[in-house]
Amino acid sequence: AQKITQTQPGMFVQEKEAVTLDCTYDTSDQSYGLFWYKQPSSGEMIFLIYQGSYDEQNATEGRYSLNFQKARKSANLVISASQLGDSAMYFCAMREGQTSYDKVIFGPGTSLSVIP
Amino acid sequence: DTEVTQTPKHLVMGMTNKKSLKCEQHMGHRAMYWYKQKAKKPPELMFVYSYEKLSINESVPSRFSPECPNSSLLNLHLHALQPEDSALYLCASSQEPFGAGGSYEQYFGPGTRLTVT
Repeated sequence: AQKITQTQPGMFVQEKEAVTLDCTYDTSDQSYGLFWYKQPSSGEMIFLIYQGSYDEQNATEGRYSLNFQKARKSANLVISASQLGDSAMYFCAMREGQTSYDKVIFGPGTSLSVIP
Repeated sequence: DTEVTQTPKHLVMGMTNKKSLKCEQHMGHRAMYWYKQKAKKPPELMFVYSYEKLSINESVPSRFSPECPNSSLLNLHLHALQPEDSALYLCASSQEPFGAGGSYEQYFGPGTRLTVT
């Protein structure tokens, strides 16, 4: 069963506009972490933002913010003031487990294209 | 230094060859990972090393053999691969395994693009 769902295979956004990338997840663990990564065409995975399951505040990192709705098991990424360099694949990922179990699962990804 | 290095960047090998991929980090991270990524797909976890011990093997075929000689180095030995094993192989590290209580995001290397002929 897929644990991470990203329902938008591809998205377009106008430069300088904000965009929301959707992510829903499924876990029975109480302790887990949610991550967003960016993968440009060069292939390198770049860490963007993290939200812990016990964090009460939504995470923010510069132009990136995470809209965390725990009851809905949703962790959407919001990119404000899009730039051309934001064009890339974006992966939502979940890390769950205790000390003897450490696994990271990635969603299928969303391809974002920023239009000048 | 937040860098994970991987060598080689590209590798072409025949089905009867033996080769190795190398991954190195000098951040003092205690968890290291191998992922396989096919084009336009998410990375798939292959192996996890925690404190230099293999903690997760995601039912990877034995033609892939991981090795962690020390806390900074991770190898992936390849033998008798199939053409369908052609992919981008990503190495990652994190400060601690997740259960240690922090966010501990993963830092990824640039990957090795492997082609099996």
